Amino acid sequence: KNEVEQSPQNLTAQEGEFITINCSYSVGISALHWLQQHPGGGIVSLFMLSSGKKKHGRLIATINIQEKHSSLHITASHPRDSAVYICAVLGGMNYGGSQGNLIFGKGTKLSVKP
Amino acid sequence: DAGVIQSPRHEVTEMGQEVTLRCKLISGHNSLFWYRQTMMRGLELLIYFNNNVPIDDSGMPEDRFSAKMPNASFSTLKIQPSEPRDSAVYFCASSFTSGVYNEQFFGPGTRLTVL
Repeated sequence: KNEVEQSPQNLTAQEGEFITINCSYSVGISALHWLQQHPGGGIVSLFMLSSGKKKHGRLIATINIQEKHSSLHITASHPRDSAVYICAVLGGMNYGGSQGNLIFGKGTKLSVKP
Repeated sequence: DAGVIQSPRHEVTEMGQEVTLRCKLISGHNSLFWYRQTMMRGLELLIYFNNNVPIDDSGMPEDRFSAKMPNASFSTLKIQPSEPRDSAVYFCASSFTSGVYNEQFFGPGTRLTVL
């Protein structure tokens, strides 16, 4: 079993739809990243959070530490949101590896149709 | 700030050749991470440094791979000799760490093809 699981693996939506991508993890963490990778390959950090909720424009990220679960929401989706969204967790004090180690999910490929 | 700078952006080489990938950190950052991305395995941490010191190199595949930080703002990842299975996109990322690990900023990546 992977330490970081994302769902769905692939997602196709119509422009304007509300989108949710889920991330579950099994290790103790100190923080969680949501990353965006565009077809050109560049990786951009969208959020880093360790509790609660963060919002940036049409993007909202939430995390529930007790349930070891995070969600990334996109409101009023647009074709330019088409990308791979990657959840990555930063190992915490109880993680067996070193604390700076990012552990990645496999990514969710989002395609938003006009 | 120019962000994290990687060079070259693309590298095509033949099996057995030495390959050197380069990374310049964002000014003021003190942690440097090397990642590899393949279709099969996704993103994986290879090694990371904090204040020029390697902290975790457990992700380095084998002795053919080596990484250095000759100074606080620059790092190299060397593969010698290279093999076709090393073909991947190699990313470096930097962050500022002071007791707590902060957000990582990624470079554009180096796409390596070993023939």
